[in-house]
Amino acid sequence: DAGVIQSPRHEVTEMGQEVTLRCKPISGHNSLFWYRQTMMRGLELLIYFNNNVPIDDSGMPEDRFSAKMPNASFSTLKIQPSEPRDSAVYFCASSLRDTQYFGPGTRLTVL
Amino acid sequence: GQQLNQSPQSMFIQEGEDVSMNCTSSSIFNTWLWYKQDPGEGPVLLIALYKAGELTSNGRLTAQFGITRKDSFLNISASIPSDVGIYFCAGQLKAGNNRKLIWGLGTSLAVNP
Repeated sequence: DAGVIQSPRHEVTEMGQEVTLRCKPISGHNSLFWYRQTMMRGLELLIYFNNNVPIDDSGMPEDRFSAKMPNASFSTLKIQPSEPRDSAVYFCASSLRDTQYFGPGTRLTVL
Repeated sequence: GQQLNQSPQSMFIQEGEDVSMNCTSSSIFNTWLWYKQDPGEGPVLLIALYKAGELTSNGRLTAQFGITRKDSFLNISASIPSDVGIYFCAGQLKAGNNRKLIWGLGTSLAVNP
């Protein structure tokens, strides 16, 4: 079975550029989560969706970050404009009940 | 945001030794989860705990849900080199549609063959 799919796996961009991260959750899962992981702050929940509806976006750092889930099989996290402090690994996870299944992550470097 | 207190922060042990790590919280949780993250990968679930006092094993791993519902521990027996990685605890307090997990900062485990 395919797990959570994320793309790209690595992204290097320059400050000020728009970045779009993509996620395909596991088929049949009804919750989707976007996390950011850094050494200093660990795993931070940015936003999560239930049945394609955003439930909690209190972790979204600021207006530069936005997330969408247009259908049950696709979500995007967009950063515009990007800044060096956004450099981190971004994970997408999906779940049906309690267990969250993580994708391999996107390593973002903003120069 | 809210985080769990996970300790120790890191461990360096010899192959064959037993390992113990724990998480504490000021909040009560209904569910405790333990995940492992290998380098370059996302976290993978090891054990899920759903009842206070519950003791659950998964091979060489054993985890317990504390009676107060504010803590949990994970033990690894007879460690092997592939146990290397970062171990995370996570707690969940379900309220309505809220499936948010609160995460510890992780315990980094190194095993010397």
